[in-house]
Amino acid sequence: QSVLTQPPSASGTPGQRVTMSCSGSSSNIGGNTINWYQQLPGTAPKLLIYQNDRRPSGVPDRFSGSKSGTSGSLAIGGLQSEDEADYYCAAWDDRLNAVLFGGGTKLTVL
Amino acid sequence: LHLQESGPGLVKPSETLSLTCTVSGDSISSSDYYWGWIRQPPGKGLEWIGFVSNAGSTYYKPSLKSRVTISVDTSRKQFSLRLSSVTAADTAVYFCATWGQLYAFDSWGRGTLVTVSP
Repeated sequence: QSVLTQPPSASGTPGQRVTMSCSGSSSNIGGNTINWYQQLPGTAPKLLIYQNDRRPSGVPDRFSGSKSGTSGSLAIGGLQSEDEADYYCAAWDDRLNAVLFGGGTKLTVL
Repeated sequence: LHLQESGPGLVKPSETLSLTCTVSGDSISSSDYYWGWIRQPPGKGLEWIGFVSNAGSTYYKPSLKSRVTISVDTSRKQFSLRLSSVTAADTAVYFCATWGQLYAFDSWGRGTLVTVSP
């Protein structure tokens, strides 16, 4: 069971906006930044959002991140079929001295 | 950065899993990186194993700490994972990745499947 909690699934139709959450505690999200990774089927994860709300070069601005207290969110606007993937949040935990991953949210584009 | 994992795809129970990640595209001697390993059991989520800096600082997942060693060889442009006393629960795709100045895993290898079976 992951210390960072994500809903197992999310869905939306093309063009829609979807959000997914990541819930932690004061020792991880509460005191550190959140990163989000996208894993397309059969591929390695790819960094999508870093330091809560920053996008690496090449990531469309349809993807956005935010953090409030001990939780974070990933939003995808203008949903496209190629966004169908697993999305993972991650954060450093000061108590465990470890990187924690959430269990992942599987996004389905209907 | 380009990362490529290599190593045996099949390991017997109780033996030691050994993987290597070869780095190209930037200097492995850079002090800006931690060199890490993440794994993903079939059909499951990502699990951080640990990472090492060029200065030799290591951080491991607490539940794996007694079995894991991650090391870096700058002269060979490689870093390695050793996981001892493996069981079927260690069957997974193993990814190498760099934790860089973005304070995130910003470069990943393609992953390699390691199966633990007699």
